[in-house]
Amino acid sequence: EPEVTQTPSHQVTQMGQEVILRCVPISNHLYFYWYRQILGQKVEFLVSFYNNEISEKSEIFDDQFSVERPDGSNFTLKIRSTKLEDSAMYFCASMKLATTGELFFGEGSRLTVL
Amino acid sequence: DQQVKQNSPSLSVQEGRISILNCDYTNSMFDYFLWYKKYPAEGPTFLISISSIKDKNEDGRFTVFLNKSAKHLSLHIVPSQPGDSAVYFCAASATGSARQLTFGSGTQLTVLP
Repeated sequence: EPEVTQTPSHQVTQMGQEVILRCVPISNHLYFYWYRQILGQKVEFLVSFYNNEISEKSEIFDDQFSVERPDGSNFTLKIRSTKLEDSAMYFCASMKLATTGELFFGEGSRLTVL
Repeated sequence: DQQVKQNSPSLSVQEGRISILNCDYTNSMFDYFLWYKKYPAEGPTFLISISSIKDKNEDGRFTVFLNKSAKHLSLHIVPSQPGDSAVYFCAASATGSARQLTFGSGTQLTVLP
């Protein structure tokens, strides 16, 4: 069964360093998302991406964050200068059509900022 | 801003009995509701969904009920099995919002053997 894959599964970085989290969405899906979950908190929306551009973003998704779909298969989330409070599980998700409303999530990338 | 609320952080049920997980929402623009199951250190797994034009959707042991006038939905699992033990998230989306999901805070379901 097709699935969303994410790498790395865990990344430890120093505060102020750049981090890139990678995702390969399900191949025939058109909508792509990043969510995050800080330990003990709810899953929060970061950004949605459709037709090679950001369609929506939350307040969390500030200038330190960017997304890219560089080659038609990968979907990346970059954090330019990490802060302690960026430590969280980051989930990539994809959806086939807007009419279905069903997002399929990857296993997540745990980011630890020291 | 809690547009989707799950007021019970935890629920324990005996194996074989019914589990009922509840969710309330405040945004009347939501027109699609989903339940996700999540194990520790894994991503949310889609379980079942319901459109606002329906009031019930059933898939095997899982049934979701939607009461639009009360802005309330519930997930029924019957019979409950120990493998159902996980965190269950209610989520909602609205047309025209790129279908971004707004999640509740989750309910930890424990099914006791």
